[in-house]
Amino acid sequence: GENVEQHPSTLSVQEGDSAVIKCTYSDSASNYFPWYKQELGKGPQLIIDIRSNVGEKKDQRIAVTLNKTAKHFSLHITETQPEDSAVYFCAASTGNQFYFGTGTSLTVIP
Amino acid sequence: DAGVIQSPRHEVTEMGQEVTLRCKPISGHDYLFWYRQTMMRGLELLIYFNNNVPIDDSGMPEDRFSAKMPNASFSTLKIQPSEPRDSAVYFCASSFVAFEKLFFGSGTQLSVL
Repeated sequence: GENVEQHPSTLSVQEGDSAVIKCTYSDSASNYFPWYKQELGKGPQLIIDIRSNVGEKKDQRIAVTLNKTAKHFSLHITETQPEDSAVYFCAASTGNQFYFGTGTSLTVIP
Repeated sequence: DAGVIQSPRHEVTEMGQEVTLRCKPISGHDYLFWYRQTMMRGLELLIYFNNNVPIDDSGMPEDRFSAKMPNASFSTLKIQPSEPRDSAVYFCASSFVAFEKLFFGSGTQLSVL
């Protein structure tokens, strides 16, 4: 089955700096890659997603890049703010199953 | 839309008791998913439904777990009898398309003593 690895497990950045979280996947059949943000006591919230026929997608301060050849994708958050502090999960989908990464705890230091 | 609604938010029970978790999906979503989240195992898919029909329940850990979806706006996950190792956060999610753009509820924090 699919194996999604996510790094780093924890990340601390100064407010205003950029944050990058990386994921790799193993199944070439994976064709949809969402990113979720989970705040304490809440459910995962979809923040951005990308399909395998697209290399990059941006939404305001958040961007995702996908390298199908290398089987890795990344989340980029620019101009970080304290409210960006949360756990971020990547996932890969083959259409039959979601495979979640193990999560990255991001702390933005004011 | 109010999003996916789960109840209760917290449940504390004693080992051996029956526990019922409830979920109302987003209106119009054809797919409903039940996940369990723990520190050790992360997010695990337990079961999912398409148009109220269970499609894959291979993630249900034991016969003690059962799930139903009697109509398009309501689903339950039942644990009988409950055990301490069932303690976790249980999430319900729904979507238009299978395994794309899943929207999660706020979860039920279950503690079995």
